[in-house]
Amino acid sequence: AQSVTQPDIHITVSEGASLELRCNYSYGATPYLFWYVQSPGQGLQLLLKYFSGDTLVQGIKGFEAEFKRSQSSFNLRKPSVHWSDAAEYFCARYNTDKLIFGTGTRLQVFP
Amino acid sequence: GAVVSQHPSRVICKSGTSVKIECRSLDFQATTMFWYRQFPKKSLMLMATSNEGSKATYEQGVEKDKFLINHASLTLSTLTVTSAHPEDSSFYICSAQTGGYSYEQYFGPGTRLTVT
Repeated sequence: AQSVTQPDIHITVSEGASLELRCNYSYGATPYLFWYVQSPGQGLQLLLKYFSGDTLVQGIKGFEAEFKRSQSSFNLRKPSVHWSDAAEYFCARYNTDKLIFGTGTRLQVFP
Repeated sequence: GAVVSQHPSRVICKSGTSVKIECRSLDFQATTMFWYRQFPKKSLMLMATSNEGSKATYEQGVEKDKFLINHASLTLSTLTVTSAHPEDSSFYICSAQTGGYSYEQYFGPGTRLTVT
Protein backbone atom coordinates (compact mmCIF):
# COMPACT_ATOMS: atom_id res chain seq x y z
CA ALA A 1 0.00 0.00 0.00
CA GLN A 2 1.12 3.51 -0.71
CA SER A 3 2.34 5.23 2.42
CA VAL A 4 4.10 8.25 3.80
CA THR A 5 6.80 8.06 6.44
CA GLN A 6 8.05 10.82 8.67
CA PRO A 7 11.01 9.34 10.51
CA ASP A 8 11.34 12.09 13.09
CA ILE A 9 8.63 12.25 15.74
CA HIS A 10 10.03 15.27 17.52
CA ILE A 11 12.64 17.84 16.50
CA THR A 12 14.03 20.69 18.57
CA VAL A 13 15.88 23.62 17.06
CA SER A 14 17.03 27.01 18.21
CA GLU A 15 15.38 30.09 16.84
CA GLY A 16 17.29 31.28 13.79
CA ALA A 17 18.69 27.86 13.00
CA SER A 18 17.93 26.03 9.79
CA LEU A 19 15.38 23.26 9.66
CA GLU A 20 14.81 20.13 7.62
CA LEU A 21 11.88 17.80 8.21
CA ARG A 22 12.04 14.46 6.48
CA CYS A 23 9.33 12.77 4.49
CA ASN A 24 9.55 9.58 2.46
CA TYR A 25 6.88 8.04 0.27
CA SER A 26 6.45 4.58 -1.13
CA TYR A 27 5.30 3.25 -4.47
CA GLY A 28 3.49 4.91 -7.28
CA ALA A 29 4.38 7.03 -10.23
CA THR A 30 5.04 10.70 -9.58
CA PRO A 31 3.08 11.29 -6.41
CA TYR A 32 1.10 14.34 -5.49
CA LEU A 33 2.75 15.49 -2.28
CA PHE A 34 1.82 18.03 0.35
CA TRP A 35 3.14 19.54 3.55
CA TYR A 36 0.69 20.78 6.14
CA VAL A 37 1.23 22.55 9.45
CA GLN A 38 -1.03 22.23 12.47
CA SER A 39 -0.83 24.62 15.39
CA PRO A 40 -2.11 23.37 18.77
CA GLY A 41 -5.83 22.69 18.68
CA GLN A 42 -6.14 23.89 15.10
CA GLY A 43 -6.90 22.41 11.74
CA LEU A 44 -4.30 21.99 9.04
CA GLN A 45 -2.83 24.72 6.88
CA LEU A 46 -1.24 23.92 3.55
CA LEU A 47 2.39 24.99 3.36
CA LEU A 48 3.17 23.76 -0.14
CA LYS A 49 2.45 21.07 -2.66
CA TYR A 50 4.17 19.25 -5.49
CA PHE A 51 2.43 17.78 -8.50
CA SER A 52 5.00 17.99 -11.27
CA GLY A 53 7.60 20.26 -12.82
CA ASP A 54 10.31 22.02 -10.84
CA THR A 55 11.34 19.73 -8.02
CA LEU A 56 12.06 22.62 -5.65
CA VAL A 57 8.79 24.00 -4.42
CA GLN A 58 8.34 27.27 -2.58
CA GLY A 59 5.61 27.61 -0.02
CA ILE A 60 4.24 30.02 2.49
CA LYS A 61 5.98 31.27 5.63
CA GLY A 62 9.42 30.88 4.04
CA PHE A 63 9.22 27.10 3.66
CA GLU A 64 10.41 25.10 0.69
CA ALA A 65 10.53 21.42 -0.16
CA GLU A 66 12.47 19.38 -2.66
CA PHE A 67 11.11 16.34 -4.45
CA LYS A 68 13.80 13.72 -5.00
CA ARG A 69 12.54 10.74 -6.92
CA SER A 70 15.78 8.80 -6.47
CA GLN A 71 15.41 8.98 -2.71
CA SER A 72 11.60 8.84 -2.61
CA SER A 73 11.74 11.93 -0.46
CA PHE A 74 10.01 15.26 -0.14
CA ASN A 75 11.82 17.03 2.69
CA LEU A 76 10.65 20.35 4.06
CA ARG A 77 13.21 23.06 4.74
CA LYS A 78 13.44 26.51 6.17
CA PRO A 79 16.69 28.48 6.38
CA SER A 80 15.89 30.32 9.61
CA VAL A 81 13.25 29.12 12.05
CA HIS A 82 11.06 31.51 14.01
CA TRP A 83 9.51 30.75 17.38
CA SER A 84 6.09 30.90 15.74
CA ASP A 85 7.03 27.89 13.59
CA ALA A 86 6.62 25.60 16.59
CA ALA A 87 3.82 23.24 15.55
CA GLU A 88 3.08 19.79 14.18
CA TYR A 89 4.04 19.18 10.56
CA PHE A 90 2.43 16.57 8.37
CA CYS A 91 3.57 15.27 5.04
CA ALA A 92 0.84 13.77 2.86
CA ARG A 93 0.36 12.22 -0.54
CA TYR A 94 -2.74 12.02 -2.65
CA ASN A 95 -3.85 8.49 -3.42
CA THR A 96 -7.07 7.46 -5.13
CA ASP A 97 -9.25 10.36 -4.06
CA LYS A 98 -7.85 10.74 -0.56
CA LEU A 99 -4.89 12.06 1.34
CA ILE A 100 -2.57 9.69 3.11
CA PHE A 101 -0.83 11.41 6.01
CA GLY A 102 2.44 10.69 7.69
CA THR A 103 2.52 10.41 11.45
CA GLY A 104 3.72 13.95 11.86
CA THR A 105 6.79 15.69 13.25
CA ARG A 106 6.47 17.96 16.23
CA LEU A 107 8.75 20.96 15.99
CA GLN A 108 9.88 22.69 19.14
CA VAL A 109 11.74 25.99 18.89
CA PHE A 110 13.98 27.29 21.66
CA PRO A 111 14.76 31.00 21.97
CA GLY B 1 -10.31 32.33 -0.18
CA ALA B 2 -10.96 28.63 0.43
CA VAL B 3 -12.11 28.92 4.02
CA VAL B 4 -13.71 26.02 5.84
CA SER B 5 -15.48 26.48 9.14
CA GLN B 6 -16.57 23.98 11.75
CA HIS B 7 -19.13 24.34 14.46
CA PRO B 8 -18.93 23.89 17.34
CA SER B 9 -15.24 24.23 18.11
CA ARG B 10 -15.69 22.41 21.40
CA VAL B 11 -18.51 20.29 22.73
CA ILE B 12 -19.03 18.28 25.87
CA CYS B 13 -21.83 15.77 25.97
CA LYS B 14 -23.05 13.01 28.21
CA SER B 15 -22.57 9.38 27.35
CA GLY B 16 -25.48 8.05 25.31
CA THR B 17 -26.42 11.33 23.69
CA SER B 18 -25.82 12.38 20.09
CA VAL B 19 -23.74 15.27 18.85
CA LYS B 20 -23.81 16.99 15.48
CA ILE B 21 -20.78 18.75 14.02
CA GLU B 22 -21.15 21.06 11.04
CA CYS B 23 -18.58 21.70 8.36
CA ARG B 24 -19.07 24.56 5.92
CA SER B 25 -17.13 25.79 2.94
CA LEU B 26 -17.58 29.55 3.19
CA ASP B 27 -16.39 30.85 -0.16
CA PHE B 28 -16.40 27.92 -2.53
CA GLN B 29 -18.50 24.94 -3.49
CA ALA B 30 -17.20 21.66 -2.17
CA THR B 31 -18.12 18.67 -4.25
CA THR B 32 -16.34 16.43 -1.80
CA MET B 33 -15.87 16.71 1.93
CA PHE B 34 -13.82 14.54 4.21
CA TRP B 35 -14.05 13.77 7.90
CA TYR B 36 -10.98 12.93 9.93
CA ARG B 37 -10.38 11.92 13.48
CA GLN B 38 -7.19 12.80 15.30
CA PHE B 39 -6.09 11.22 18.56
CA PRO B 40 -3.63 13.05 20.85
CA LYS B 41 -0.16 13.18 19.36
CA LYS B 42 -1.34 11.11 16.41
CA SER B 43 -1.85 11.59 12.73
CA LEU B 44 -5.17 12.17 11.04
CA MET B 45 -7.29 9.14 10.40
CA LEU B 46 -9.72 9.44 7.52
CA MET B 47 -13.17 8.37 8.63
CA ALA B 48 -15.25 8.95 5.54
CA THR B 49 -15.58 10.76 2.26
CA SER B 50 -18.82 12.42 1.31
CA ASN B 51 -19.96 13.71 -2.04
CA GLU B 52 -22.82 16.14 -2.30
CA GLY B 53 -26.10 14.31 -2.71
CA SER B 54 -24.59 10.85 -2.28
CA LYS B 55 -24.09 8.47 0.56
CA ALA B 56 -20.78 8.78 2.34
CA THR B 57 -18.03 6.26 1.78
CA TYR B 58 -16.65 5.04 5.07
CA GLU B 59 -13.15 3.79 5.70
CA GLN B 60 -12.65 0.28 6.95
CA GLY B 61 -13.35 -0.04 10.64
CA VAL B 62 -15.49 3.10 10.90
CA GLU B 63 -19.04 2.38 12.02
CA LYS B 64 -21.38 4.11 9.61
CA ASP B 65 -24.35 3.76 11.95
CA LYS B 66 -22.44 5.49 14.70
CA PHE B 67 -20.91 8.26 12.65
CA LEU B 68 -23.69 9.58 10.43
CA ILE B 69 -22.57 11.85 7.64
CA ASN B 70 -24.82 14.05 5.56
CA HIS B 71 -23.67 16.20 2.65
CA ALA B 72 -26.90 17.82 1.62
CA SER B 73 -25.46 20.83 -0.17
CA LEU B 74 -22.26 21.95 -1.85
CA THR B 75 -21.31 24.02 1.18
CA LEU B 76 -22.40 21.93 4.15
CA SER B 77 -21.60 18.52 5.54
CA THR B 78 -22.53 17.26 8.97
CA LEU B 79 -21.14 14.52 11.16
CA THR B 80 -23.42 13.14 13.86
CA VAL B 81 -21.89 10.99 16.54
CA THR B 82 -24.77 8.87 17.75
CA SER B 83 -24.99 7.37 21.23
CA ALA B 84 -21.63 8.83 22.09
CA HIS B 85 -19.32 7.06 24.52
CA PRO B 86 -16.16 8.28 26.23
CA GLU B 87 -14.03 6.44 23.66
CA ASP B 88 -15.52 8.70 20.98
CA SER B 89 -13.82 11.67 22.61
CA SER B 90 -11.43 13.04 20.05
CA PHE B 91 -10.56 15.91 17.75
CA TYR B 92 -12.67 15.78 14.60
CA ILE B 93 -11.52 17.68 11.53
CA CYS B 94 -13.30 18.16 8.24
CA SER B 95 -11.89 19.19 4.91
CA ALA B 96 -13.36 20.22 1.61
CA GLN B 97 -12.28 19.78 -1.96
CA THR B 98 -13.43 21.81 -4.92
CA GLY B 99 -13.50 18.91 -7.31
CA GLY B 100 -12.03 18.41 -10.72
CA TYR B 101 -8.33 17.69 -10.51
CA SER B 102 -7.44 20.13 -7.77
CA TYR B 103 -6.47 17.37 -5.30
CA GLU B 104 -6.07 20.03 -2.66
CA GLN B 105 -8.12 19.86 0.51
CA TYR B 106 -8.95 22.83 2.69
CA PHE B 107 -9.25 22.01 6.35
CA GLY B 108 -11.55 23.28 9.02
CA PRO B 109 -10.23 24.27 12.46
CA GLY B 110 -11.52 21.11 14.10
CA THR B 111 -14.01 20.20 16.82
CA ARG B 112 -12.93 18.90 20.19
CA LEU B 113 -15.51 16.38 21.41
CA THR B 114 -15.49 15.26 25.03
CA VAL B 115 -17.93 12.60 26.14
CA THR B 116 -18.43 12.33 29.88
